[in-house]
Amino acid sequence: QKEVEQNSGPLSVPEGAIASLNCTYSDRGSQSFFWYRQYSGKSPELIMFIYSNGDKEDGRFTAQLNKASQYVSLLIRDSQPSDSATYLCAVVRSSQFYFGTGTSLTVIP
Amino acid sequence: DGGITQSPKYLFRKEGQNVTLSCEQNLNHDAMYWYRQDPGQGLRLIYYSQIVNDFQKGDIAEGYSVSREKKESFPLTVTSAQKNPTAFYLCASSLPRTGVNYGYTFGSGTRLTVV
Repeated sequence: QKEVEQNSGPLSVPEGAIASLNCTYSDRGSQSFFWYRQYSGKSPELIMFIYSNGDKEDGRFTAQLNKASQYVSLLIRDSQPSDSATYLCAVVRSSQFYFGTGTSLTVIP
Repeated sequence: DGGITQSPKYLFRKEGQNVTLSCEQNLNHDAMYWYRQDPGQGLRLIYYSQIVNDFQKGDIAEGYSVSREKKESFPLTVTSAQKNPTAFYLCASSLPRTGVNYGYTFGSGTRLTVV
């Protein structure tokens, strides 16, 4: 079983809609959770991190963590074409990062 | 501006040749990492270093070597023993050592191709 699982997509949403990206992790000892955005041919950039159960909002982005169900999600409100990218979920356990394979998001104008 | 600089951006390697990828950071981060990214496989850890003069193998260290003689620098050598080196290589750093609180900062990457 992989440490971190993401649906590879592609996920397509119309401009202005809410995009919902999901990630599950296998080890209950996981401590911290990160979302990275990666444009094609570029390096990942950190957009959100969350440590505690519940929601964390930053502008159009909301990260949601449910440790009991072992999932973390990222909601993007008012999606823009510039949000089209691959979104990587990362989980930290015992000081080690574990990355998912990423979900490709396309926002259709 | 603080950040991580990787060079070169593109690199071509001939069969049997060793090549070195450069990674320099001026963020005063303790920990540095090398990842390889292949299509559909996500990021795989090659080597990491949490302190100068010390480094550990990651999941796919075979065919690679590193050094950490300075806090700012963590070069990666792709040796001829690495039979399938064509990939996108990413260097990252974090502070504190665990990277737990702040996540990684990534360099812009080096795309290596075997010719």
